[in-house]
Amino acid sequence: DIVMTQAPLSVSVTPGESASISCRSSKSLLHSNGITYVYWYLQKPGKSPQLLIYRMSNLASGVPDRFSGSGSETDFTLKISRVEAEDVGIYYCGQLLENPWTFGGGTKLELK
Amino acid sequence: EVKLLESGGGLVQPGGSMRLSCAASGFTFTDFYMNWIRQPAGKAPEWLGFIRNKANGYTTEYNPSVKGRFTISRDNTQNMLYLQMNTLRAEDTATYYCARGNADYWGQGVMVTVSS
Repeated sequence: DIVMTQAPLSVSVTPGESASISCRSSKSLLHSNGITYVYWYLQKPGKSPQLLIYRMSNLASGVPDRFSGSGSETDFTLKISRVEAEDVGIYYCGQLLENPWTFGGGTKLELK
Repeated sequence: EVKLLESGGGLVQPGGSMRLSCAASGFTFTDFYMNWIRQPAGKAPEWLGFIRNKANGYTTEYNPSVKGRFTISRDNTQNMLYLQMNTLRAEDTATYYCARGNADYWGQGVMVTVSS
C-alpha cells in the first residue's frame, strides 16, 4: 500500500496568518496521463470530511481561494492563506492513484 | 444539491452481519463511481472499496483488508448504494461513509459498533 505521511501533527495559527501542511507519499502519485492523484480533505469538528483540493492543485467547488495545493511526484503542500475560524479541523491528504486508496494520519489546525 | 444519506448502522455481535444503505440524490447516480469509506473514532479514514459507474459496467474494487467479507452493490433504479458486511470483528467498529466519485461528496456517516 502507498503510505501517506503528514506533518506536522498539529498546527496553531493566528487568524489572518498563513499555514502550510505537508504530505509525503511512499510512491510517486504521478500517473502516465500527467495527473498527480493527491487530494486534500478537511474534517471540521463533528462533521464529515469535505474535499478541498483534487489532483494536487485543483480547487474543489465552493472552496475559498485561500486554499491552494502544490507539490511534486511524492511531496505535497496544502497552503491556507489568511486563516479563518471556519478553517479549524483536521486536514487529511489522500492518494487516489491505486488500490487501496490511502490517507495520511491527519494534521489538526487550531487557532491561537 | 448533492445529498448522500447513510442508514442501517448500530450494534452487532462479533461474527455477525450488517447491511448499510446510502440514498443518493441531486445528481445522475449512474454516471458516478460510488465508494464506502470508514473512520474509526479519532483515526484517519480507510477506503473500503467502490463500485464503478454505468460506463464501466458497475464492477467493483475492494481494499484487500476487507475483500471477501464486504460486498458493495447498487440499485440504480432507486439511487441506492449498499455495503454488505459479514463476519464482523471488533476492529470493524467505525463510522461508515458513502462518498461519490473521487470522494468529492460524503454522507453524514453511520456508526457501526461490533461488540458482545
